[in-house]
Amino acid sequence: KQEVTQIPAALSVPEGENLVLNCSFTDSAIYNLQWFRQDPGKGLTSLLLIQSSQREQTSGRLNASLDKSSGRSTLYIAASQPGDSATYLCAVKAAGNKLTFGGGTRVLVKP
Amino acid sequence: DAGVIQSPRHEVTEMGQEVTLRCKPISGHDYLFWYRQTMMRGLELLIYFNNNVPIDDSGMPEDRFSAKMPNASFSTLKIQPSEPRDSAVYFCASSSADDRAEAFFGQGTRLTVV
Repeated sequence: KQEVTQIPAALSVPEGENLVLNCSFTDSAIYNLQWFRQDPGKGLTSLLLIQSSQREQTSGRLNASLDKSSGRSTLYIAASQPGDSATYLCAVKAAGNKLTFGGGTRVLVKP
Repeated sequence: DAGVIQSPRHEVTEMGQEVTLRCKPISGHDYLFWYRQTMMRGLELLIYFNNNVPIDDSGMPEDRFSAKMPNASFSTLKIQPSEPRDSAVYFCASSSADDRAEAFFGQGTRLTVV
């Protein structure tokens, strides 16, 4: 059974610092990995999608890497801003097109 | 496309009442998923459909929960009777059949059972 873990559960940084969020998964037989952002009381917004054949994916200040063999992904957010404060979730897609989610990392960027 | 549409956005009901949550997936998507999010357990997959057929309902917590997908553009998740511990945010998501496809989520239904 696939298990996805995100460490740390919470992170607080001053504005301008780079953010590093970690995601690990137990079964490397995945199709892809998706990073989401969730604001309090809101839905999930997809940030980046990395296919199993890719090593990284970039969008603006966001960069996500994937090391499928070791079961790890990292989301980097450069030059953090208070507007980046949210919960970040990673999810892996495996057989059956099912997404298995990690517990999320709650990020606070202090002005 | 307007994305995945869920209704209602908020539902408050009394214990013992029937609750029906609704979802309209993105047109053309073959897969539809129902998730539940709680503080204690995070996001859990309840059930998913492929081409309107339920594929895996092993995440449905109890027989009080049931889901249907009568056609490609509509699905319901029903709880009967509802209990306070069912209070959570319920998300619907859809994706195409491509293994590489991205999943898109609705805004969720916040259910409170009092």
